[in-house]
Amino acid sequence: QVQLVQSGAEVRKPGSSVKVSCRASGGTFSSASFSWVRQAPGQGLEWMGGIIPMLGTANYQQKFQDRVMISADESTSTAYMELSSLRSEDTAVYYCARSSGYSFPFDPWGQGTLVTVSS
Amino acid sequence: EIVMTQSPVTLSVSPGEGATLSCRASQRISSKLAWYQQKPGQTPRLLIYDASTRATGISARFSGRGSGTEFTLTISSLQSADIAVYYCQQYKSWPLTFGGGTKVEIK
Repeated sequence: QVQLVQSGAEVRKPGSSVKVSCRASGGTFSSASFSWVRQAPGQGLEWMGGIIPMLGTANYQQKFQDRVMISADESTSTAYMELSSLRSEDTAVYYCARSSGYSFPFDPWGQGTLVTVSS
Repeated sequence: EIVMTQSPVTLSVSPGEGATLSCRASQRISSKLAWYQQKPGQTPRLLIYDASTRATGISARFSGRGSGTEFTLTISSLQSADIAVYYCQQYKSWPLTFGGGTKVEIK
C-alpha cells in the first residue's frame, strides 16, 4: 500500500520561498507520477504541476510556470515542490498526490502541508 | 487546457434520498474522469475513476456514469457520512484540471 508523508507546516514572509517534501513508501516510485495540488482556505483544488521521476522533467500549470519547481529524488523516493516569490494569496494547504503514470487518477494523497504567507 | 464545470454548486438532500452531481468537460476526455470526496478538514479521497469504476473500499451507493464530455456521480440513499464536497477531475491530458466542486449537505 502506497503512503505519502509530507513535511510540516511552514510560515514564510512575502517575497520568500518555501520547499515542501513528499516521501513515498510502498509501490513503485520512478515510473509513477507525483503531482502537487493546492487548496486555498475555503476554495477548491488547483493542480500546480507534476513529475514522473524516471523522466525527470516536470510539467506545470501556466499560472505557476514562473514561480514553481517540482523535482524528485529517486534515491529517497521523495518528491519536492518549491514555490518562490510568495505572496499572501499563496496561503494554502499543499497536497502531493500520486498517480500510476501520466494518465491516471490521484491515489493516494499526502496529508497536506499548510503554508502561511504573512508579514 | 480542459475546463471542468460542476453543477450544482450546492446540493441539499434529505437523508435516505438520492443525489446526482454533474460534471462537464470543455473537450472530449473519453472516460478519463475521476471523482473525489473531501470531507471537512480532511484530505481528498478517490471515489470513482475511469468515469464509472469504484475505488477500493468505496460503497456501492456511489456510482459514476458518462463519457466524452458529460459525467454524473450518483449517491443513493444519502447518509450523514456523505456530507462533503465532491470534485471531478480529468486526467486525459496535462495540465490536469478539477471542477469547482459540489457541496452536498443534509436538508
